[in-house]
Amino acid sequence: GAGVSQSPSNKVTEKGKDVELRCDPISGHTALYWYRQSLGQGLEFLIYFQGNSAPDKSGLPSDRFSAERTGGSVSTLTIQRTQQEDSAVYLCASSTSGLTGEQYFGPGTRLTVT
Amino acid sequence: TQLLEQSPQFLSIQEGENLTVYCNSSSVFSSLQWYRQEPGEGPVLLVTVVTGGEVKKLKRLTFQFGDARKDSSLHITAAQPGDTGLYLCAGGGWGGSNYKLTFGKGTLLTVNP
Repeated sequence: GAGVSQSPSNKVTEKGKDVELRCDPISGHTALYWYRQSLGQGLEFLIYFQGNSAPDKSGLPSDRFSAERTGGSVSTLTIQRTQQEDSAVYLCASSTSGLTGEQYFGPGTRLTVT
Repeated sequence: TQLLEQSPQFLSIQEGENLTVYCNSSSVFSSLQWYRQEPGEGPVLLVTVVTGGEVKKLKRLTFQFGDARKDSSLHITAAQPGDTGLYLCAGGGWGGSNYKLTFGKGTLLTVNP
């Protein structure tokens, strides 16, 4: 079956521009996660959505970062006024349950801010 | 802030050798997961251990969760080139936050034929 898909796979943007990254989770998965993986760093938790509950935004690094999940399915991570330190791979994952479900990761979007 | 330290950071060995990767923390975790990530792909879950002292074996891979739930190890026997990749450990939070994983920086393993 289809796994988690992310688009675009690569994004190059100029400093100060806004970017939108998209995640299509596995059908039927109620939990969705965003992570950031920087060079030499581990995966950093950004945000978690579970069903209709309020998202856990505790990992978002600044107010330039925001995310939405529409209809309990597709999610968009938006970074406003991008900075060079935002350059990283942004990974999305989904699971059947936030508490016990295995997280299935997408291939990521590599963001480069010039 | 919970931190997970992995060692070694890089490991290059010959096919057929054994190796152990370590994951240590001063924090206690509800569970410990190990992932393998290949270039251009997302991490793939290998195992979850949830009980202190637990040992799980998957073919040539042996995973151990420390008694105090603060550390873990991954041992690979007779490594093969197909084992090459980035190995990540991740600790789960507690209670309603056990979905929140804290990841180590990873061990980049290269197995040479």
